[in-house]
Amino acid sequence: SQQGEEDPQALSIQEGENATMNCSYKTSINNLQWYRQNSGRGLVHLILIRSNEREKHSGRLRVTLDTSKKSSSLLITASRAADTASYFCATDAANRLAFGKGNQVVVIP
Amino acid sequence: NAGVTQTPKFQVLKTGQSMTLQCAQDMNHEYMSWYRQDPGMGLRLIHYSVGAGITDQGEVPNGYNVSRSTTEDFPLRLLSAAPSQTSVYFCASSFNRHLNTNYGYTFGSGTRLTVV
Repeated sequence: SQQGEEDPQALSIQEGENATMNCSYKTSINNLQWYRQNSGRGLVHLILIRSNEREKHSGRLRVTLDTSKKSSSLLITASRAADTASYFCATDAANRLAFGKGNQVVVIP
Repeated sequence: NAGVTQTPKFQVLKTGQSMTLQCAQDMNHEYMSWYRQDPGMGLRLIHYSVGAGITDQGEVPNGYNVSRSTTEDFPLRLLSAAPSQTSVYFCASSFNRHLNTNYGYTFGSGTRLTVV
């Protein structure tokens, strides 16, 4: 079964706007990770947040984690056309990385 | 460094044929895994390995075999291909997970498999 579930499924924004994606999960985790996938390509690791962390930043990315609500959010600030991709959250537990179904983000120039 | 290398990139099989998808990494990662990606389903774990000589089943292991004789290689074998195995297959690796599980995964570029 899918562990992570992202919301919303598809997002279309203007260049320069912020994009926010949410992810929920069901079980205890070691960490939660976000990945990007460009069309027809492999997944690229963006950011990892440990279960004892609440917020983490990396460049234009900000991820939050609320273990009490079993949810996470990914914020991409000042979006660019090159940010157009699918974004996946993935929960890491028991040597398994379980992915959600993904968020399609389109950034309009 | 090449990272994670998957071959072939594309493959068409007939129902009942067998084949091996190759995966190799040059990062000395102990952990390796195979996923399949289907439209609307996200990625699902097929098999994984925490080190040479050790493999375990993931979420959707039926119809697939793996072995891990070296740290670098983790081939995925389709025993008797079925149309339901038409998918994009990704291999991924991660650093030593015995001491610290907080590492991201490095993915290969995928193998697009069609079974007719």
